[in-house]
Amino acid sequence: GDSVTQMEGPVTLSEEAFLTINCTYTATGYPSLFWYVQYPGEGLQLLLKATKADDKGSNKGFEATYRKETTSFHLEKGSVQVSDSAVYFCALSSPTGGGNKLTFGTGTQLKVEL
Amino acid sequence: DSGVTQTPKHLITATGQRVTLRCSPRSGDLSVYWYQQSLDQGLQFLIHYYNGEERAKGNILERFSAQQFPDLHSELNLSSLELGDSALYFCASSGTGETRGPQHFGDGTRLSIL
Repeated sequence: GDSVTQMEGPVTLSEEAFLTINCTYTATGYPSLFWYVQYPGEGLQLLLKATKADDKGSNKGFEATYRKETTSFHLEKGSVQVSDSAVYFCALSSPTGGGNKLTFGTGTQLKVEL
Repeated sequence: DSGVTQTPKHLITATGQRVTLRCSPRSGDLSVYWYQQSLDQGLQFLIHYYNGEERAKGNILERFSAQQFPDLHSELNLSSLELGDSALYFCASSGTGETRGPQHFGDGTRLSIL
């Protein structure tokens, strides 16, 4: 079945450091790929998406490129801020039966310190 | 604010009891999804409804059931509750039905079984 693998956390960075959170996936067909972010006590917010190979999703300084050849969708940001501290989830969307579902990775906690 | 509303925010109950979680999707969205988030299982897909019809089932226990009403709100019913059912339950909605578009999440209902 479909699966998503994310790097283990927590990841601790200093403010203005470069961020990479690795994500690889296994899926049949051609899934859409997403990054969601969860701040403490809140629901999941869509951060960015990519629907086909070589698409680059971007939002709020975060970027990820859909790499079909390496089945990866790594999240990057050039300069993190304390406010970026949260849990980040990589997910893929695939049809199932007559419907649709998201398959999530385990999440990576990011802590950004001054 | 995602536009998806979940009530209640918190529920505390005892083993063997039954509870109902409610979700109002974003205006115009026809699809509603339910997910369970727990420390040991992570984020797991439970069920997908589209315009009142069940479209896909995931790891949903037989003690759990859901429905989507004509006004498109949805309810998740959990019965014969066990300690292991303690988790955060998320509802999500999308406007793209069977396609692979993004899902927008509510803030969740935290269920605690004593």
